[in-house]
Amino acid sequence: QQQVKQSPQSLIVQKGGISIINCAYENTAFDYFPWYQQFPGKGPALLIAIRPDVSEKKEGRFTISFNKSAKQFSLHIMDSQPGDSATYFCAASMKGSARQLTFGSGTQLTVLP
Amino acid sequence: GAVVSQHPSRVICKSGTSVKIECRSLDFQATTMFWYRQFPKKSLMLMATSNEGSKATYEQGVEKDKFLINHASLTLSTLTVTSAHPEDSSFYICSARTHGGTDTQYFGPGTRLTVL
Repeated sequence: QQQVKQSPQSLIVQKGGISIINCAYENTAFDYFPWYQQFPGKGPALLIAIRPDVSEKKEGRFTISFNKSAKQFSLHIMDSQPGDSATYFCAASMKGSARQLTFGSGTQLTVLP
Repeated sequence: GAVVSQHPSRVICKSGTSVKIECRSLDFQATTMFWYRQFPKKSLMLMATSNEGSKATYEQGVEKDKFLINHASLTLSTLTVTSAHPEDSSFYICSARTHGGTDTQYFGPGTRLTVL
């Protein structure tokens, strides 16, 4: 019930295309859903985050779509660029657990020039 | 955004020695810091949660006597890998939550530990 399932494991997109990464969760106590971007040999960097009271949040080329009833959320990267090539992790946290993050398994995104 | 630093970024040590990794929140106070371990091409595995001034809470399967965590101030937490062995070689990453209970965790750049 603590798991966050992420797909796909890897994704190859042409430059200018849309990258879509999906995550699903079971525990309805989760109330905060961030996405992190990680480059090789570096720590994860927060990209964008959403709470369940909104269905979509957009920051620049990055959009989170949230479906509370389906317990799913996704990251959309518009106009994908080679510099976006990285590993992306979805995560979830809840109150009362020191806000520990439960991470998805990660998606390795490659954007071809 | 908030900045978290780690030192050293890379360390190589001999088997049996101890290694200390520092995690600092540079521009905010962190009531809670977290330590993760990451294997190649894998997700982050939470090792322990530390709160300033109190003992760390370790995840199941993490040896607290081997991975000593100290969170002495609102800006500094340390992880000491005692009597390191080759199987402890990994990428260790810390994160910090901002003081005041906000939800965001900011991650450090990570420390690559290699035990020979």
